[in-house]
Amino acid sequence: GQQVMQIPQYQHVQEGEDFTTYCNSSTTLSNIQWYKQRPGGHPVFLIQLVKSGEVKKQKRLTFQFGEAKKNSSLHITATQTTDVGTYFCAGLGSGTYKYIFGTGTRLKVLA
Amino acid sequence: GAVVSQHPSWVICKSGTSVKIECRSLDFQATTMFWYRQFPKQSLMLMATSNEGSKATYEQGVEKDKFLINHASLTLSTLTVTSAHPEDSSFYICSAMTGSNTGELFFGEGSRLTVL
Repeated sequence: GQQVMQIPQYQHVQEGEDFTTYCNSSTTLSNIQWYKQRPGGHPVFLIQLVKSGEVKKQKRLTFQFGEAKKNSSLHITATQTTDVGTYFCAGLGSGTYKYIFGTGTRLKVLA
Repeated sequence: GAVVSQHPSWVICKSGTSVKIECRSLDFQATTMFWYRQFPKQSLMLMATSNEGSKATYEQGVEKDKFLINHASLTLSTLTVTSAHPEDSSFYICSAMTGSNTGELFFGEGSRLTVL
């Protein structure tokens, strides 16, 4: 079945450093979403990417969808302590209605 | 944004008892809701898709007799963990879509189940 992997599993950065998490699917995706889950909280939607090669920005966050629609990345510029949490990608396979969540990347930002 | 409410947030029960978790869409109608299980520091594992007015669709490996899902109305889905055992202890979380083109999933706050 469809598998979605993320690397790295953990990342500790100093405040102000950049951070990137990568998401790779075993199958081609219709679209991909990104979520953030704070410790003890529930996932919160960040963005959805649909088109091959699409790039979207939200302030310090940059999201990319690969040309083959099998991978994606989230880049945070100049991290802040408020960026702490686990970032999940969620892929929608072609012809399905279910989002499969990636393994997640847990970000810690050291002040 | 849309609000999904889950209840209870925490529940502790004895082994062998059943526990019901409710997931409500407060300001929209949800024909489809999703139930996930999340172990500590791990990803969300989709358990089943709850469809209003019809049977739930379970993922491979999820026991449908163990995890009973009912979606009796457009705003309420319930997950009942039957004859709970300590290995069922986990964080259960539901989500729903509003039906808009964004495809965004709105999550409930989650329910942490501890089986003694």
